[in-house]
Amino acid sequence: DGGITQSPKYLFRKEGQNVTLSCEQNLNHDAMYWYRQDPGQGLRLIYYSQIVNDFQKGDIAEGYSVSREKKESFPLTVTSAQKNPTAFYLCASSIAYVGEQFFGPGTRLTVL
Amino acid sequence: DQQVKQNSPSLSVQEGRISILNCDYTNSMFDYFLWYKKYPAEGPTFLISISSIKDKNEDGRFTVFLNKSAKHLSLHIVPSQPGDSAVYFCAASARAGGTSYGKLTFGQGTILTVHP
Repeated sequence: DGGITQSPKYLFRKEGQNVTLSCEQNLNHDAMYWYRQDPGQGLRLIYYSQIVNDFQKGDIAEGYSVSREKKESFPLTVTSAQKNPTAFYLCASSIAYVGEQFFGPGTRLTVL
Repeated sequence: DQQVKQNSPSLSVQEGRISILNCDYTNSMFDYFLWYKKYPAEGPTFLISISSIKDKNEDGRFTVFLNKSAKHLSLHIVPSQPGDSAVYFCAASARAGGTSYGKLTFGQGTILTVHP
């Protein structure tokens, strides 16, 4: 079964700690994305990667970092510099940079 | 700067009737539009898309209409079913270039409730 997996589903961290969210896809897609969703708001782009070993900042990249060492994997690190890290994080991928994006199930991060 | 807006936070419809969800955009570089459906605590699911060279695209019960001059698109669901109850997001992209090239810009979402 092809798809996008995100783990864990729920994540709790103490304030000041860095945390890494996992995103893996077996769709053979070149492009991958990270979004954040807050209550009553649309999805906002954090980082995206058009191809392995390359990534670009999205609209709200401050306090986040990513890597793209493998085509299948695009982990997101939420650092202590992110002022309001509690949110629902969504990973997506697409065949090419322009096209339909397919989303994973999301990770809800709560910082206590 | 909200480039994609869904001005109705919620919509309530009776089963079997038509649901019409609206979306407005401001960036004239947008030339590709998508609708996604999302259940709580899940990722969005792609529904239907339309390119700016068309003004209508149909897929089963779902039809998207695009009015380029008004910078407006709408999603029609006919007939509506209780399982359609979810949050619907419209998204826009600029395939031809510009600062929005390739990126999807999402509206805030509309909560659709279909009553039996």
